[in-house]
Amino acid sequence: EIVLTQSPATLSLSPGERATLSCRASQSVSSYLAWFQQKPGQAPRLLIYEASNRATGIPARFSGSGSGTDFTLTISTLEPEDFAVYYCQQRSNWPLTFGGGTKVEIK
Amino acid sequence: EVQLVESGGGLVKPGGSLRLSCAASGFTFSTYRMDWVRQALGQGLEWVSSITSSSSSTTYADAVKGRFTISRDNAKNSLYLHMDGLRAEDTAVYYCARRRTGDRGDFDYWGQGTLVSVSS
Repeated sequence: EIVLTQSPATLSLSPGERATLSCRASQSVSSYLAWFQQKPGQAPRLLIYEASNRATGIPARFSGSGSGTDFTLTISTLEPEDFAVYYCQQRSNWPLTFGGGTKVEIK
Repeated sequence: EVQLVESGGGLVKPGGSLRLSCAASGFTFSTYRMDWVRQALGQGLEWVSSITSSSSSTTYADAVKGRFTISRDNAKNSLYLHMDGLRAEDTAVYYCARRRTGDRGDFDYWGQGTLVSVSS
C-alpha cells in the first residue's frame, strides 16, 4: 500500500499570505496525484488532478506541482474561504490512498 | 448539473447489514467508474470500493473485502454498497464519488454523504 504523508499537519496563516502544502509518497505514483479541499460538514472538492491540473472552476491561486514521490499544493494568496483541510490522494496503485490531511487555519 | 445523492445510512448493531444507495443525475452514469469513500467522524478520508462503468470489475479495500459488495444498476442510474458483518470501526460518513474521465481519473463529484453508525 502506498502511504501518503502530508506536512505540516496544521498551517497557521493570515489571509493574503502564501500557503505551501506538501505530500510525500512512500513510492512513486508518477503524476497520479490529486488534491482535495474539505470544509466542515461538506464533501471534499477536487482542486488539482494529475499533480498539476486545476479542476473545473478552481481559481488560479491554487496550483500543484511535483511528480514521483514529492508533491506540493500552493495557494498563492489565501482568501478567507480557503481555510479548510486539504488532502492528497493517489490512484497509481490499488488500494487508492489518501494523506492524513493538512489543516490551514487562520492565524 | 451533476448530482449524487446517497441514502440508506443509519444505526445498526455489530454484525448487522445495511445497503447504501447513490442516485446519480445530470450525466451519463453508465459511462463512469464510481467509488465509495468513507470518513470516520473527525478523521481523514478512506477509500472503500470501486466499480467500473460496465460492472466488469470491482475492487475493495482490505478492511472491507469479503464483507462489502459494490454494485450498480445503469438503467436506474444508481450505485450501491451492500455491507454485511458490520463492525464498530465501519462507523463513518459514506460518500459516493464519480471518476473524472470514464473508467479512469480522479474523484470530480461527490455526494453529500450518508452516516452509518455501528453500535449495540
